[in-house]
Amino acid sequence: KQEVTQIPAALSVPEGENLVLNCSFTDSAIYNLQWFRQDPGKGLTSLLLIQSSQREQTSGRLNASLDKSSGRSTLYIAASQPGDSATYLCAVRQYSDYKLSFGAGTTVTVRA
Amino acid sequence: DTAVSQTPKYLVTQMGNDKSIKCEQNLGHDTMYWYKQDSKKFLKIMFSYNNKELIINETVPNRFSPKSPDKAHLNLHINSLELGDSAVYFCASSPAWASGSYEQYFGPGTRLTVT
Repeated sequence: KQEVTQIPAALSVPEGENLVLNCSFTDSAIYNLQWFRQDPGKGLTSLLLIQSSQREQTSGRLNASLDKSSGRSTLYIAASQPGDSATYLCAVRQYSDYKLSFGAGTTVTVRA
Repeated sequence: DTAVSQTPKYLVTQMGNDKSIKCEQNLGHDTMYWYKQDSKKFLKIMFSYNNKELIINETVPNRFSPKSPDKAHLNLHINSLELGDSAVYFCASSPAWASGSYEQYFGPGTRLTVT
């Protein structure tokens, strides 16, 4: 059974600092890994999707890396802003049943 | 335009009642999903439909019954509501099921509170 772990569970940084969010998964037989953002009381917004054949994806200040063999992904957010405050979830889609398995998330607070 | 929409956004009801949550996607996707996010914030899949056909049916009580009248709609009906059903329910869609590479798009969620 796929297990997805996100460390740390919470993170508080001053504005301008770079953010590093970690995601690990136990079964490396995945199709892709997706990073989401969830604002309080809101739905999920897809940030980046990395296919299993890719090593990284970038969008603006966001960069996500994937090391499938070691079961790890890292989301980097450069020059954080208070608007980046949210919970960030990673999810992997596995070969065996196509299901998306989620981590519990990292709650980020960026202090102005 | 909202890609994946859910109604209602909030639902407060008493134990024992029957309620429905509706979901619609205007993305032309073939596959739709229902997820449950519990108080610990874990998201877990409940059901998935591909072209109106049920393809994932996780171990959920049979009080939960999904219905897909067409590709663009997936509704969730819950009978005899219990306190433990309180959660946020998310609908999602993806272009297809057969290709695992597609990303999923989520609706805004429905916060169900059972009193």
